[in-house]
Order: sequence, then C-alpha cells, then structure tokens
Amino acid sequence: GESVGLHLPTLSVQEGDNSIINCAYSNSASDYFIWYKQESGKGPQFIIDIRSNMDKRQGQRVTVLLNKTVKHLSLQIAATQPGDSAVYFCAEREGSARQLTFGSGTQLTVLP
Amino acid sequence: EAGVTQSPTHLIKTRGQQATLRCSPISGHTSVYWYQQALGLGLQFLLWYDEGEERNRGNFPPRFSGRQFPNYSSELNVNALELEDSALYLCASSPDGLWGYTFGSGTRLTVV
Repeated sequence: GESVGLHLPTLSVQEGDNSIINCAYSNSASDYFIWYKQESGKGPQFIIDIRSNMDKRQGQRVTVLLNKTVKHLSLQIAATQPGDSAVYFCAEREGSARQLTFGSGTQLTVLP
Repeated sequence: EAGVTQSPTHLIKTRGQQATLRCSPISGHTSVYWYQQALGLGLQFLLWYDEGEERNRGNFPPRFSGRQFPNYSSELNVNALELEDSALYLCASSPDGLWGYTFGSGTRLTVV
C-alpha cells in the first residue's frame, strides 16, 4: 500500500557515536529493500540495499539488517558525522510490483 | 555518468492551471517512476513507465497523467491544479524495474 507519513520520528546522536535507524515494513511479499538519505530540498540518495535472501549487508560505514520474521529493517551508521544529518527512508518492493513503497522516514540529527 | 535530471527545479502555478514536469533517466534505464512528496511527508507513488507504456499508477486522480518518450525520458502532467498539489515531485529511474532505483533532485511545484 501507499506510505502515509503523518509523524516523523527523530533520532539525535553525538558525533562519533553509532546510529541505528529502524523501519517496520508492511508487506511480507516484499523481496527488496533500500535505505535512502534525503537532505533538505534534495532528492533521496541511495545508501544501501538488501535482498530478501540476505540477513545483513555492509557498506562503507553502514550496515543494513533484515529480519523477515518480524518484518523489520535497520540501518546502522558507524561513527556518525555531521554530514549524516538528514531524513532517512526505508523502501520496500514487492516482487510482483516494480515501484517502491516508502516508510515515513526518520530525522537523524548529529550533535557536536 | 549523468544522473537522473529533472526540470524545472521550481515551478509556480495558479490554481486551475496545468503543470508539466520533465525527467531524463540515467542512460540505459528504461523504467521511470514518479513520486509526490508533500511537505513533511513521505514519498507517495504516482506513476511507473517502462518501454513507453504506463505500467502502474498510485492512488491519485486522473488529472495526474504522463507519458514516456522513445528515448525513455518522461513527462508528468497535472491538470486543474489544486492548492494541495503543492509538493516536491521526484522522478526515479531503474535499468529494469528490479533494482538500482536512482532519484533526481525533484521539481518543487507551488500552486497559489
């Protein structure tokens, strides 16, 4: 179904700490997931993706974990930097569809 | 490699007018997606085009329409503009509709 973003959760972390952003997805038939970062006034920027046949995937400073049992996705950012401050969206794609369905987003603020 | 480009970056229209937004996908990408992002909200799926055909549309009225050209670029048309159509309109492209969804920077449409 469509995402309805009525409330934007926020997360504040100290610079240098690790951040964990969580996302509960809706469709048990979803087989592909992406995390995007969106800075104010800009389009979403791809961070990392994961397919449903994986539980974990690592990139540079980022790790995505997928728990299909409870339909939960998380994004871990190591050594969070001021430039990481943005809204983070998870997106899912059901296999038979081709469009992405987005979560409501989490505002990450990195404190000096 | 050039990314997804959208034009114009900003557009101001009067209620009742029509707006036309344009998107050029990444070279080689055949699938184009349109999303609406109202202020403070998540991304709502509008339309998906692939190989020149409309493949799916979201829960939006028929006055939202578009097309995809032979070179895979796309146009989104919004007729009879309403104040609540004011939003950031984002275009994304994908090589095959299965992965690699890349977004443009969007067109900010303001209806007055």
